[in-house]
Amino acid sequence: ETGVTQSPTHLIKTRGQQVTLRCSSQSGHNTVSWYQQALGQGPQFIFQYYREEENGRGNFPPRFSGLQFPNYSSELNVNALELDDSALYLCASSHGTGDGSQPQHFGDGTRLSIL
Amino acid sequence: QKEVEQDPGPLSVPEGAIVSLNCTYSNSAFQYFMWYRQYSRKGPELLMYTYSSGNKEDGRFTAQVDKSSKYISLFIRDSQPSDSATYLCAMFSGGYNKLIFGAGTRLAVHP
Repeated sequence: ETGVTQSPTHLIKTRGQQVTLRCSSQSGHNTVSWYQQALGQGPQFIFQYYREEENGRGNFPPRFSGLQFPNYSSELNVNALELDDSALYLCASSHGTGDGSQPQHFGDGTRLSIL
Repeated sequence: QKEVEQDPGPLSVPEGAIVSLNCTYSNSAFQYFMWYRQYSRKGPELLMYTYSSGNKEDGRFTAQVDKSSKYISLFIRDSQPSDSATYLCAMFSGGYNKLIFGAGTRLAVHP
């Protein structure tokens, strides 16, 4: 069984640029969630997708957006990058509708640095 | 006040010790409780997943949930240097479709 894979592993951008991060869900998982983890902190929920629709969102501005594709891969897009966006971005997938009744499994993340 | 409180440590113990990690929470709607282990430069790895109050054991790991006190614990028996990592508690309220994490506790097990 293939786990959650994310690409790229590292990325350096400058303020104001746009970035796209990618995630391939674990086989058979139809829900994907994205998290931001700042250094020394726990992951913060950004949003969740189920069957290509957003079905939950955390306290992040609209410049954070996402997509889920029919093959359950997904993207996180961030526009107008700010210095505070520097963090580890984690993707997690699970079976079911994302209501917590199934555990989430994480990839190793993309480390984004904003200069 | 944060929804989930977790002492960041660091916690340093000798090999073979019993480790106790804890989290408190304020939202009584939380129903699902998880513990993740995160090694440096890696993503969180699911260790334990429990629903509602009670105990769950898996090898050297035991998870406890006390919903009346809004308190969860993870016990690690016979700790090993390979257990050195950050341990994250996480909770889910089904109505909000989001997983809430504690800040993580850094654990170091020295030989």
